[in-house]
Amino acid sequence: KQEVTQIPAALSVPEGENLVLNCSFTDSAIYNLQWFRQDPGKGLTSLLLIQSSQREQTSGRLNASLDKSSGRSTLYIAASQPGDSATYLCAVVGGADGLTFGKGTHLIIQP
Amino acid sequence: GAGVSQSPRYKVAKRGQDVALRCDPISGHVSLFWYQQALGQGPEFLTYFQNEAQLDKSGLPSDRFFAERPEGSVSTLKIQRTQQEDSAVYLCASSLSRSSGELFFGEGSRLTVL
Repeated sequence: KQEVTQIPAALSVPEGENLVLNCSFTDSAIYNLQWFRQDPGKGLTSLLLIQSSQREQTSGRLNASLDKSSGRSTLYIAASQPGDSATYLCAVVGGADGLTFGKGTHLIIQP
Repeated sequence: GAGVSQSPRYKVAKRGQDVALRCDPISGHVSLFWYQQALGQGPEFLTYFQNEAQLDKSGLPSDRFFAERPEGSVSTLKIQRTQQEDSAVYLCASSLSRSSGELFFGEGSRLTVL
């Protein structure tokens, strides 16, 4: 059974810092990996989708990498802003397990 | 529609009541998923539809939970004889395909069972 772990569980940094969120998964047989953002009381907003054949995806200040063989992905946020404060969720799609989520990283950017 | 739409956004039920939660996916999306999210946790898979076929219901926690998508578009998640442990946010997501498609989520339906 696929297990997804996100580290750290919570992170608080001053505005302007670059930061890295980590995601690891136990079964490397995945179709893709997706990073989401969730604001309090809201649904999930897709940030980046990385197919299993890809190594990274970029969107604005966000860059996500995927190392399938080691079961790891990182989400890099450059020049963080208070509006980036949210919970960031990593999810992998693979085989019979479908899509499995981590518990998320709760991020606070201090103004 | 422009996005995944869920209703109601909030539902308060007395223990033992039946509830029905609706999901209207993005037009043309073949795959539809239901997830349950408890406070402070990541979403947990409940069930998956490909068009009208329910291909995976392994995540449904008990036989009180039932989902359908009769015409391959709108889906309904029904919970019978609700219990307090059913209190959670129920999220619906759709995608063009299960294996490679980007998932798009609705805002969720927050169920509180008293």
